[in-house]
Amino acid sequence: NAGVTQTPKFRVLKTGQSMTLLCAQDMNHEYMYWYRQDPGMGLRLIHYSVGEGTTAKGEVPDGYNVSRLKKQNFLLGLESAAPSQTSVYFCASSYYRERDTEAFFGQGTRLTVV
Amino acid sequence: TQLLEQSPQFLSIQEGENLTVYCNSSSVFSSLQWYRQEPGEGPVLLVTVVTGGEVKKLKRLTFQFGDARKDSSLHITAAQPGDTGLYLCAGDTSYSGAGSYQLTFGKGTKLSVIP
Repeated sequence: NAGVTQTPKFRVLKTGQSMTLLCAQDMNHEYMYWYRQDPGMGLRLIHYSVGEGTTAKGEVPDGYNVSRLKKQNFLLGLESAAPSQTSVYFCASSYYRERDTEAFFGQGTRLTVV
Repeated sequence: TQLLEQSPQFLSIQEGENLTVYCNSSSVFSSLQWYRQEPGEGPVLLVTVVTGGEVKKLKRLTFQFGDARKDSSLHITAAQPGDTGLYLCAGDTSYSGAGSYQLTFGKGTKLSVIP
């Protein structure tokens, strides 16, 4: 059971470079999420998707774009990386039941922008 | 923006001691989850509580959801070094009428259990 897989696991970018983080899930979940985790800040939602072809902004969307062309994949793009985007990025997916949501997380991508 | 406050932020205890961590909000949640995260890994779900006043036990861990569904606590009995990690609570606002599908996370409690 692969669950949620993120690639790459580590990356160093120069300021102004672009990159795409890939998230793939094999659980047929409808909902997918991108979070960033910084010391003392907890997990903050960047963007999310409630289904194939849909995306929505979360708490900290500026400087990021996303796409969900296939149900199993959710891509996070940085068009022009900035040092403030140095963080650990987590992708998650979830199913929806009437009264709760449970998220399954990938192992994270540690991104450093120099 | 929904806000979940976790306390304490850091906790260092000796093996065998008991501890409680808290998760508080001014908002009502349809459910609340507790996750544990180990270094270099993503958070892993421990438990979901749904009903106000609900108590769930997972071996030495006891989780409680407040009667008003605004707060929760996690109690660990006889802590072991394997309990070391970051404990995160997360609230689901699905019943709030806001139409959101996202979890709001607290900042976490970093627990160290010293052998």
